[in-house]
Amino acid sequence: DTGVSQNPRHKITKRGQNVTFRCDPISEHNRLYWYRQTLGQGPEFLTYFQNEAQLEKSRLLSDRFSAERPKGSFSTLEIQRTEQGDSAMYLCASSSRRSGGPLHFGNGTRLTVT
Amino acid sequence: GENVEQHPSTLSVQEGDSAVIKCTYSDSASNYFPWYKQELGKRPQLIIDIRSNVGEKKDQRIAVTLNKTAKHFSLHITETQPEDSAVYFCAAVGVLNQFYFGTGTSLTVIP
Repeated sequence: DTGVSQNPRHKITKRGQNVTFRCDPISEHNRLYWYRQTLGQGPEFLTYFQNEAQLEKSRLLSDRFSAERPKGSFSTLEIQRTEQGDSAMYLCASSSRRSGGPLHFGNGTRLTVT
Repeated sequence: GENVEQHPSTLSVQEGDSAVIKCTYSDSASNYFPWYKQELGKRPQLIIDIRSNVGEKKDQRIAVTLNKTAKHFSLHITETQPEDSAVYFCAAVGVLNQFYFGTGTSLTVIP
């Protein structure tokens, strides 16, 4: 399967703990996006990389959230001091500059903060 | 930033009827408009897209129309089938390749 891969699929954590998610994009895609989705809502933009450069970060994203893409391949999203409001599905997507889109989504990581 | 509004939030149609979902956007610089289908518990998947230099695009039972002047675009599904039941999201994409999504339409096709 050469699609976008996300790990873990599910994560349950206690409030105040740190969590880290990983995304492996489609290999030839240079753009990588993180989105958050809650029930009944559309994907909400978090941040966006082109190669290893983080080009944009949502103003809605607190300082507890950080993302990296150190070698322009896989990416990690870390949430520090988790809160119950962080419970959501975290989606990663990638796209190719050559095609000019569209986004190809992973299956997501479902985070539950208890 | 871009603001995408999507209507209706829920839609029920009888099998065989047509379904129409409408979206508006605010940024006139947006130039790419994809539509995604998300089945319960699954990832969003692209079903059709349209670029700003085209007014309409069709792929079998699915069509999308774009009115750049009015800044709205619509998804049309004809001859609906139960397997079309899902949540549909529109998106508007600007020159910086930022994808902004609507809030989704939950479509139910009644057999």
